[in-house]
Amino acid sequence: DVKVTQSSRYLVKRTGEKVFLECVQDMDHENMFWYRQDPGLGLRLIYFSYDVKMKEKGDIPEGYSVSREKKERFSLILESASTNQTSMYLCASSLSIWRGGRYGYTFGSGTRLTVV
Amino acid sequence: GQQVMQIPQYQHVQEGEDFTTYCNSSTTLSNIQWYKQRPGGHPVFLIQLVKSGEVKKQKRLTFQFGEAKKNSSLHITATQTTDVGTYFCAGTTTSGTYKYIFGTGTRLKVLA
Repeated sequence: DVKVTQSSRYLVKRTGEKVFLECVQDMDHENMFWYRQDPGLGLRLIYFSYDVKMKEKGDIPEGYSVSREKKERFSLILESASTNQTSMYLCASSLSIWRGGRYGYTFGSGTRLTVV
Repeated sequence: GQQVMQIPQYQHVQEGEDFTTYCNSSTTLSNIQWYKQRPGGHPVFLIQLVKSGEVKKQKRLTFQFGEAKKNSSLHITATQTTDVGTYFCAGTTTSGTYKYIFGTGTRLKVLA
């Protein structure tokens, strides 16, 4: 089974701190994504990456950055955490379509971040 | 930009009743996926629909993709308590892309 592992299940950080959320997948997937999930808003795409060192902005990239130095790891960085970034953060990966990727995203268990 | 809306936002049903959630896109979709998220869990991929008018079944779950490829539905027959969770659709407008836009989700509660 594909596994997508997020480094922390729960995090509490202070306003203004720099926060790193780590995500690792073990099935050689090309594509990786960061979403945040908020009640009533569904899943909103923050950033995604389709290859090492490649990244593209999603729908809500403001206040975030990402890093993908290795294929299996995709990091989300909150440059200066704010209370409105309190949320559930979900990492996902998928196989590229030209390698037969038709099985959707595999999500990690999520990191619930609280900024105080 | 592309938007994917789902209705209803919440649904409570008695165990044994049927349930349907609808997904509507502002633009024509290349394909659509459905996910289930159990309470406290993460979304899990259920199925992908690609063809106009396509219907797929998984046991008690029936998935449909509209003829115009702008809407989709998930129907559960005779709900069980194990069906509890939030159901999301996710669509993409371009074939061969890796980026899907998720709907707002429908939270299903099944009363025993």
